[in-house]
Amino acid sequence: GAVVSQHPSRVICKSGTSVKIECRSLDFQATTMFWYRQFPKQSLMLMATSNEGSKATYEQGVEKDKFLINHASLTLSTLTVTSAHPEDSSFYICSASYGEGYTFGSGTRLTVV
Amino acid sequence: AQSVAQPEDQVNVAEGNPLTVKCTYSVSGNPYLFWYVQYPNRGLQFLLKYITGDNLVKGSYGFEAEFNKSQTSFHLKKPSALVSDSALYFCAVRGVNTDKLIFGTGTRLQVFP
Repeated sequence: GAVVSQHPSRVICKSGTSVKIECRSLDFQATTMFWYRQFPKQSLMLMATSNEGSKATYEQGVEKDKFLINHASLTLSTLTVTSAHPEDSSFYICSASYGEGYTFGSGTRLTVV
Repeated sequence: AQSVAQPEDQVNVAEGNPLTVKCTYSVSGNPYLFWYVQYPNRGLQFLLKYITGDNLVKGSYGFEAEFNKSQTSFHLKKPSALVSDSALYFCAVRGVNTDKLIFGTGTRLQVFP
């Protein structure tokens, strides 16, 4: 149980375009979801916390207008990278709290060319 | 503020030998501690967690960890390493009054045949 499905696994987009990443909880209701960014050979950096039906809470230094997070239902949270640039290229991972633990999506490799 | 330290960027061990991946934490109150493993271009897989109770926690794939409150440590161990254990390992902590999970910088485990 407690599976989170993240799509797409890989995406390549042109600079200036927007990309949407979806994270779905398959067999439970995810009241809270988290979005992380991981640079090569580095740790996971928490970008924001999204709660169903309310605005996301962004960590310090994360541009909320660039990284739009929507959590409109208990099973779906989306991260949209707007006007993407090469420096936004990274590995993005979603996570949902579940009981006393957390379950993670399989990640999205974003490459902006 | 809560934080996690993984002092070793890489740990090398021969197959069949015991392995230890170190983790220390700083948090107010009683911590929730986690270990995750990540394979290339994948999300995080849960290994084990400590919430309360017995200080020795047994997890997936033969891994275990010992919670040491006096040393604020939560080292990951395995009696006999396998080549397939080679991956990136993350320690994480969640403090009281928050649902955010904060990660250490990760330790790359390399098991040699």
